[in-house]
Amino acid sequence: GAGVSQSPSNKVTEKGKDVELRCDPISGHTALYWYRQSLGQGLEFLIYFQGNSAPDKSGLPSDRFSAERTGGSVSTLTIQRTQQEDSAVYLCASSPGLYNEQFFGPGTRLTVL
Amino acid sequence: GQNIDQPTEMTATEGAIVQINCTYQTSGFNGLFWYQQHAGEAPTFLSYNVLDGLEEKGRFSSFLSRSKGYSYLLLKELQMKDSASYLCAVENAGNMLTFGGGTRLMVKP
Repeated sequence: GAGVSQSPSNKVTEKGKDVELRCDPISGHTALYWYRQSLGQGLEFLIYFQGNSAPDKSGLPSDRFSAERTGGSVSTLTIQRTQQEDSAVYLCASSPGLYNEQFFGPGTRLTVL
Repeated sequence: GQNIDQPTEMTATEGAIVQINCTYQTSGFNGLFWYQQHAGEAPTFLSYNVLDGLEEKGRFSSFLSRSKGYSYLLLKELQMKDSASYLCAVENAGNMLTFGGGTRLMVKP
């Protein structure tokens, strides 16, 4: 079966532009997570969805970041007015439900010039 | 708050045994994960401990002591392909994972 997929795999954008990152979780997985990993750094939790709802958005770095999930499946992470410090690999993971192993996608490498 | 500590780097010899420690102080605890991450790749799951004790899975074992806020990952019969970063992650209520900074393991011939 297919794993978690993310698109695009690489994105280069200019400072100030908006970007949208997409995550397709494993079919049937109700929980979906977004993480960010800056070069040489650990994983930083951003937000998670249980179904279509995100109970806790406090992990998002700023109000320029937003995420949504519709139909209990695909999720998009949107970064408005990108800044150079947003450059990182954005990882998505899904799990069958609460308290389950998370399966990671390959990530989207975002570079803001 | 969440605080997870693990060594930044370790070096070991092919065929040897290495133990990677992880200590944590977290508000709420449901379980502890270990992930392996090769350079430039996404993390992959290694183990999940909920109860105290040792979980063995092939060459890899993971230990948890909840009272001490301590876990370790034990790798036996090291192979060159085991060179990677090993991430300790604590799961709190709501299945939110907080990751440590990772331990970069270098296996030398």
